Amino acid sequence: LAKTTQPISMDSYEGQEVNITCSHNNIATNDYITWYQQFPSQGPRFIIQGYKTKVTNEVASLFIPADRKSSTLSLPRVSLSDTAVYYCLVGDPPAGTALIFGKGTTLSVSS
Amino acid sequence: GAVVSQHPSWVICKSGTSVKIECRSLDFQATTMFWYRQFPKQSLMLMATSNEGSKATYEQGVEKDKFLINHASLTLSTLTVTSAHPEDSSFYICSARAVRDSLSYEQYFGPGTRLTVT
Repeated sequence: LAKTTQPISMDSYEGQEVNITCSHNNIATNDYITWYQQFPSQGPRFIIQGYKTKVTNEVASLFIPADRKSSTLSLPRVSLSDTAVYYCLVGDPPAGTALIFGKGTTLSVSS
Repeated sequence: GAVVSQHPSWVICKSGTSVKIECRSLDFQATTMFWYRQFPKQSLMLMATSNEGSKATYEQGVEKDKFLINHASLTLSTLTVTSAHPEDSSFYICSARAVRDSLSYEQYFGPGTRLTVT
């Protein structure tokens, strides 16, 4: 499974856009990129998944360059409730293999 | 959306006793479920992969005789921590793979179970 590298922590203020970049230099052809959010003492929550270019849903956007060796999760206008740990994962979901979590990025949003 | 539940949400047990944790997919069938363990301030660590009707596959370093996994139906997997010790105290999280369509595959996580062994 491809290893991912993310910043350990990020700080932001309410209302700002936050971009969290993840490096995955060894991503395989069949791999997708998935981001999860986790609050303390809760299970991870799916945010967004993509294979290439740009994906957008109601909570975030995911930007993937052509070489797919990195990806950027973009959270528009964050609020205090977005304070959480964000995990970038790379894997082959159709294959049904388990998700292997890296250290994640702890995002702290202040007022 | 797909929902995964866990029971109990927290449990305290005495050293040497066994504890069973249930993981259920409430509105979808899950042929594959996964069990993770998370220590404070750390990431999730995969313990085992559970396939319905077959033996679980354990990750290296996870004792299969200590962490018994049963996946008897398409909506239920159980993890039994046998002869629990204080070092087994952790946050146990299960997940289930749901196939929404040919273009989207998601893994849904349960809310977790906090195990404290005294």
